[in-house]
Formats: sequence, C-alpha cells, structure tokens
Amino acid sequence: EPEVTQTPSHQVTQMGQEVILRCVPISNHLYFYWYRQILGQKVEFLVSFYNNEISEKSEIFDDQFSVERPDGSNFTLKIRSTKLEDSAMYFCASRAGQGNQPQHFGDGTRLSIL
Amino acid sequence: DAKTTQPTSMDCAEGRAANLPCNHSTISGNEYVYWYRQIHSQGPQYIIHGLKNNETNEMASLIITEDRKSSTLILPHATLRDTAVYYCIVRVGNYGQNFVFGPGTRLSVLP
Repeated sequence: EPEVTQTPSHQVTQMGQEVILRCVPISNHLYFYWYRQILGQKVEFLVSFYNNEISEKSEIFDDQFSVERPDGSNFTLKIRSTKLEDSAMYFCASRAGQGNQPQHFGDGTRLSIL
Repeated sequence: DAKTTQPTSMDCAEGRAANLPCNHSTISGNEYVYWYRQIHSQGPQYIIHGLKNNETNEMASLIITEDRKSSTLILPHATLRDTAVYYCIVRVGNYGQNFVFGPGTRLSVLP
C-alpha cells in the first residue's frame, strides 16, 4: 500500500541553524500538509499546499517557516533559524484530490534543537 | 478548536469490542467524521470516515447517529496492538481543509 515517507527520522540541530525536513507524499496526491506535535501535546496544523502554493497556514507558521515542492515528488519544510521551542515531531500528510478522501500521514521527523 | 469531544481514556479487554464515542453536536451538513489513531509517537493512522451512513472496513465500523450529532467507532475484536490514542475529527470533505486534532481518547487494551 502506498505511504508517505519522511526523512530523516531524527534530526538534531543547533539553535539558530536552518533545517529542512523532507517528505515524499503518495504519488498522484494533490494536497500536502505539515503538522507538528510537541512532546505530550496535541497534533497541530502548520500549513497546507495545493497547486504549488500555500492554501492555508496557522499562526504557528510564521516567517521562519517555508514550504516547497521542488520537483514532482518531494515536499519540504524549512525552518530558517531554529529555536528551542521548535523541538517537536513534524508530520507530513498528503491527500488525493477528489471529494472527501482522508489525509495520509508519514511517521514523522523528530526534530531536537540544542 | 476541535469541534468534537471524546472521553479522555477508556479500557477494553482483549478480544472484546471497543466502542469509542465522539460528540460533534455542531456538525454541519457537509462535514464528514474522520477517525484516526496514533500509536506511541508514530504518525496518525487513518481508520475510517463517513458522512451520515454507517461505514465498515477491514479495521473498524463507524456508527453515526441519525441526527449526526454523535458517532461511535467500533473495533470489533480489540487486540493489544490497538492500544493507542484515537482521534475523532470533523471536517468538510472538499477543498483539502486541514484537520484540527483534539486530545483524543487513550484506549488501553488489557490482556
């Protein structure tokens, strides 16, 4: 069964450094998402992406964050200057374009900021 | 904020049916009910979704009340591997809207 894959599984970065989290959505899916989950807290929406542009973003998704779909397969989340509070699990999700199809999530990247 | 309320936790004996309730009294006519679960810190796993009819797949059954203000996810024969946090999410099916996760129900399947 097709699945969303995320790399790396664990990323350790010094505060202030840039980090790029990578996702390969399910082939032929049209909607892409990033969510995050701080340890012990709820899963929070960050951003959605459709037709090569951001369609919706949350208050969390400030100027430090950006997303890109550089080619036909990858979907990336960049954090420009990481802060300690960016430490979290980051989940990518994708969804087929038609109707009420569900989102399918990857297993996440654990981001640890030191 | 999440448009659903769920019990914080539930226990279920292994091999028995697990019935997880969800209240969504403000659901709109075009909003679907989606169920996901999260095992440890893995990504949320899709289980099932529905609009107004009851649904069944290889994982679970979804029973939606006639007024659509509540629903129940049924795992017919719970196993230890079903121990997880279960999320009930209400969202419009079209336009790729993001999901709003609440705290969910922590289901513990006991041997």
